[in-house]
Amino acid sequence: GAVVSQHPSRVICKSGTSVKIECRSLDFQATTMFWYRQFPKQSLMLMATSNEGSKATYEQGVEKDKFLINHASLTLSTLTVTSAHPEDSSFYICSAPRASGGAGTQYFGPGTRLLVL
Amino acid sequence: GESVGLHLPTLSVQEGDNSIINCAYSNSASDYFIWYKQESGKGPQFIIDIRSNMDKRQGQRVTVLLNKTVKHLSLQIAATQPGDSAVYFCAENLTGANSKLTFGKGITLSVRP
Repeated sequence: GAVVSQHPSRVICKSGTSVKIECRSLDFQATTMFWYRQFPKQSLMLMATSNEGSKATYEQGVEKDKFLINHASLTLSTLTVTSAHPEDSSFYICSAPRASGGAGTQYFGPGTRLLVL
Repeated sequence: GESVGLHLPTLSVQEGDNSIINCAYSNSASDYFIWYKQESGKGPQFIIDIRSNMDKRQGQRVTVLLNKTVKHLSLQIAATQPGDSAVYFCAENLTGANSKLTFGKGITLSVRP
């Protein structure tokens, strides 16, 4: 069964509104979670690393004020797309390593499809 | 509009044949590699991994080959089935780099019945 969940699975919003996406590890604790963005027919691009108890680390070119990340607990990270615009429409995927430093045990969520009108 | 080169290449194979999916990775210091399968509208699913101290690893119907000299990774799928149709990504990791994965471009595998 799924070990990482995301909510919502899809969302449609108007331009200028903010959208929150949740990522939960279901049966393990994750001090670190990762957020990816995937445009159609393209690969996954890492946006940021979410760290429980500290600030997120953003990849180069990702606006931290636009993509707010909060690692609220050891099982929950949220990504808020603020003032969303049509170009933010994408497939957002989170992942969580199950053991510290274990990249191979990184589980991916099912993704959230965001469509900004 | 769309830009040339951003579309995923497609590999079309006959059901029952073997498939070979190739990937060139970027960081010569990477020491851990993973193949993922992604079906439409879903998150990536782990297939098989290999560490840099190995050049071959086998799983059930899948084999991963690593050539560090030319920074090349391949995934072999034996007796390809319709359910194997998906996009396949290789990912590389540098141990200690906080588990960050760097994904390759991806290849679409299409299985003909």
